[in-house]
Amino acid sequence: QVQLVESGGGVVQPGRSLGLSCAASGFTFSSCTMHWVRQAPGKGLEWVALVSFDGSNKYYADSVKGRFTISRENSKNTLYLRMNSLRAEDTAVYYCACISKTATSPFDYWGQGTLVTVSS
Amino acid sequence: QSVLTQPPSVSGAPGQRVTISCTGSSSNIGAGYVVHWYQQLPGTAPKLLIYGNNNRPSGVPDRFSGSKSGTSASLAITGLQAEDEADYYCQSYDSSVSVSYVFGTGTKVTVL
Repeated sequence: QVQLVESGGGVVQPGRSLGLSCAASGFTFSSCTMHWVRQAPGKGLEWVALVSFDGSNKYYADSVKGRFTISRENSKNTLYLRMNSLRAEDTAVYYCACISKTATSPFDYWGQGTLVTVSS
Repeated sequence: QSVLTQPPSVSGAPGQRVTISCTGSSSNIGAGYVVHWYQQLPGTAPKLLIYGNNNRPSGVPDRFSGSKSGTSASLAITGLQAEDEADYYCQSYDSSVSVSYVFGTGTKVTVL
């Protein structure tokens, strides 16, 4: 069955870096535009970044532009998020998600999320 | 970046009908982009509930329906059941920047 499993979350000090991974299985990973979506504690969903199916195009929310880098490795069915210069407001559960059709299609598959806490 | 506005909460008794509004702008819903709805049960990831304004994925009960008009969309739940108690989010594409996806502020549905 379809699975997206995030890992790499944890507690990190402000200004430090952290890397997240998302392992995919049960579907054709290379056909998906992959996204990161986050949810601060008790808050709503916020789109963070996307990478095109072949990794050639990447887009970011203004709130993370210049600090976060999204990438993918189709040979390993894995999505990544490198987060630098972390701030308290980056504290959230980070979900990876797939859009399998057009840019305006829905997020078809979601991972279970990994919690990132930025705190001194 | 843009955000879609939803009421913080709605409630209803079992069997009743509730609706959740989702108000956008001319750069997202009003630009003609479709609206999708997600259900998030406590402690779980969002799950696709309605896609393309008014379509249900396989397995979603027909108690759930969506509509869209102008710069707004709505989700209706008829025959409310206890298991429908969850957070609901609308989502669309936004063209105010090069690429952007916007979510609604979220609505907590409480079954009385």
